[in-house]
Amino acid sequence: GQQVMQIPQYQHVQEGEDFTTYCNSSTTLSNIQWYKQRPGGHPVFLIQLVKSGEVKKQKRLTFQFGEAKKNSSLHITATQTTDVGTYFCAGNTGNQFYFGTGTSLTVIP
Amino acid sequence: NAGVTQTPKFRVLKTGQSMTLLCAQDMNHEYMYWYRQDPGMGLRLIHYSVGEGTTAKGEVPDGYNVSRLKKQNFLLGLESAAPSQTSVYFCASSYGGSAADTQYFGPGTRLTVL
Repeated sequence: GQQVMQIPQYQHVQEGEDFTTYCNSSTTLSNIQWYKQRPGGHPVFLIQLVKSGEVKKQKRLTFQFGEAKKNSSLHITATQTTDVGTYFCAGNTGNQFYFGTGTSLTVIP
Repeated sequence: NAGVTQTPKFRVLKTGQSMTLLCAQDMNHEYMYWYRQDPGMGLRLIHYSVGEGTTAKGEVPDGYNVSRLKKQNFLLGLESAAPSQTSVYFCASSYGGSAADTQYFGPGTRLTVL
């Protein structure tokens, strides 16, 4: 069945350091979305990538979609304490989204 | 707009008991989803609905039933709760099911089955 894996599962960084999480699918995706979940909160939509090789930026966040549309990454430059939370990718292959296992980011002040 | 709301926020059940989780959205969305979130497992889709009166199975449907009698409501039922169903349950909705549709999540229901 469909699988979306994410690495790493946990990441601790010093404030100001960069952070990257990777998402890999066993099958080709129609599109991929990224969500952020703060501790104790619910997932909140960040962005969607649709095209092969697409790159999008939101301030310090850079999102990439692989050429084969089977992998994606989220990179945060110069992390801040407000970046703390779990980042999920969600791959779409039709009516269903398959969420990755998430990367929990801790930022040490 | 309240967005997506879930009732209740917390619940403790004994094994074998039944309960219904209610999800409501006021955004006139066609699609609604029920997920469960377990540590290290991400979010897994239980059931979803593409419109009023329709439901479909997701990745982990066993032990759950759903109903979508009204467009704005999506109910998740547990007929005979088991400890393996201890989890945080999230409801979500989207305008449609196409590639362009953002999912809006409710605040979650934390369920413990003893």
